[in-house]
Amino acid sequence: AQSVTQPDIHITVSEGASLELRCNYSYGATPYLFWYVQSPGQGLQLLLKYFSGDTLVQGIKGFEAEFKRSQSSFNLRKPSVHWSDAAEYFCAVGENSGGSNYKLTFGKGTLLTVNP
Amino acid sequence: NAGVMQNPRHLVRRRGQEARLRCSPMKGHSHVYWYRQLPEEGLKFMVYLQKENIIDESGMPKERFSAEFPKEGPSILRIQQVVRGDSAAYFCASSPPDTPGNQPQHFGDGTRLSIL
Repeated sequence: AQSVTQPDIHITVSEGASLELRCNYSYGATPYLFWYVQSPGQGLQLLLKYFSGDTLVQGIKGFEAEFKRSQSSFNLRKPSVHWSDAAEYFCAVGENSGGSNYKLTFGKGTLLTVNP
Repeated sequence: NAGVMQNPRHLVRRRGQEARLRCSPMKGHSHVYWYRQLPEEGLKFMVYLQKENIIDESGMPKERFSAEFPKEGPSILRIQQVVRGDSAAYFCASSPPDTPGNQPQHFGDGTRLSIL
C-alpha cells in the first residue's frame, strides 16, 4: 500500500526566508504527486501536481516542487515566504495505474508558522 | 464558477442522532469523493461515487455510514447513530471525468462534525 511521510510536524520561518517542506512517499511505481494547502477552518487548495514529464513543477503562489525518483521525495519549496503562507501543508500521493487510481493518500501535514 | 460546495459548515449532534452531510461538486464534475480528517491527521479516503453509483467504498466504516450521489441533487454522506469518535472534519472532493487518474481533485471547505 502507498504511504506518505511528512517528517516535519511544525516549521517556523521568518518572513522573507526560504522554505522547504519535505515529503517522502512509498509506492511501487511512479505515482501522481500533489501538494495541498489548508488554512484554518478551510478546505484544501491545490498548490501543484506532478503526473509525468519535467520533474520540477511550478505551482501557484510562487511554490515549486521537485520529484526525485531515487529519493522517493517530492519536496515543496518557496524562495521567499510571505506572512500569508502560514497554513498547513499536505503532501498527497495518487496511484498511477488502472483500478483505484483516484485514491489519494495524504501525509499528516506540516504546519507552517511565519514570523514577522 | 462555484467550487465544491459543502453544507453545513458546522454540525453538532448528540450521540445516537443522525448526521447528514451534503456536497455539490464543481460544475462539469461527475466524480465525487469523501474524505475524513481526524484531529492532527491527514485526510483518509472514505468513498468514491459517480452519479447513482458507488464505485469504491473501501474506506467507509462497515456500519452506520452510507453515501449516495443521486441523479439529481447533491451527494450525501449519512452517519447513523453517531458516536463521539465520529467527530471530525469531512471533506468532499470532485473531479471531471477523463483526466489522468481522475486527478486533480478539488476540495470543498468541509463539514466540521461535533458529537456531544
